[in-house]
Amino acid sequence: DTGVSQNPRHKITKRGQNVTFRCDPISEHNRLYWYRQTLGQGPEFLTYFQNEAQLEKSRLLSDRFSAERPKGSFSTLEIQRTEQGDSAMYLCASSLAGTVGTGELFFGEGSRLTVL
Amino acid sequence: AQSVTQLGSHVSVSEGALVLLRCNYSSSVPPYLFWYVQYPNQGLQLLLKYTTGATLVKGINGFEAEFKKSETSFHLTKPSAHMSDAAEYFCAVSVSTGGFKTIFGAGTRLFVKA
Repeated sequence: DTGVSQNPRHKITKRGQNVTFRCDPISEHNRLYWYRQTLGQGPEFLTYFQNEAQLEKSRLLSDRFSAERPKGSFSTLEIQRTEQGDSAMYLCASSLAGTVGTGELFFGEGSRLTVL
Repeated sequence: AQSVTQLGSHVSVSEGALVLLRCNYSSSVPPYLFWYVQYPNQGLQLLLKYTTGATLVKGINGFEAEFKKSETSFHLTKPSAHMSDAAEYFCAVSVSTGGFKTIFGAGTRLFVKA
C-alpha cells in the first residue's frame, strides 16, 4: 500500500460550480478525516468517519459541503455552489483506531481548489 | 475543547545552530501531542508524538520534544539544524474522547541559513 491518495490534485473552477474530491485511505485504516488548509494556517478540521459512519462535522462545514464514505473505504467531499472563499487545500488523512498512539494521522498530498 | 498555540510563525536559524519551535496547548483531559512536518508540495508527515510515559520523546531526523504538563508545553528541538530541515512544522493535540479529532496549530515555518 502506497499511502493516502487524493484526486484530483488541483482543481480550478468557476464560482457557482460543484466540485468533488476523492480520498483513498490506507486500506486497513478505519478512520478517515477531512481538513482544510489555507495559506499561512494549520489544517482545520472539517469532518471524520469511522468506517462508513460520519461521526462529527465541524461548524466550518456549511450546508454546501457534504462528505460520504460508502462501504467504509474511499471518501468523497463535495462542495456545491462554490464560492471564492472555498479556495484552499483540502487534506485527507486516515488512521487506525484502537492502537497505541491512536490519533496519529497519515495524510495525502491534498487537493488544491481554486475558485475563480 | 482543545487548542494549540505556536509561538512564532517564522523562525530562522543558521545551519548547525539549535532549533527551537514553541508549542503550547490547552486541553481539559490528558492530551496526545504531535509534531508534523510539511515539506514544500508534500503532505504532512509525523515527526514525533507523545501519548503516555516518558515525557521526552524522540522523532525522526534528530528532532525531539518534551511534554511539560505544568507549563502545558510541547516544544520541538534539534541540536544542530541542517538545510534539509527547512519546512513548515505543525504542533497538534488530540484527546481520547471525541474520536481523537486532531487540532493543529497555525504552523511555524523554519528557515535555515547557510
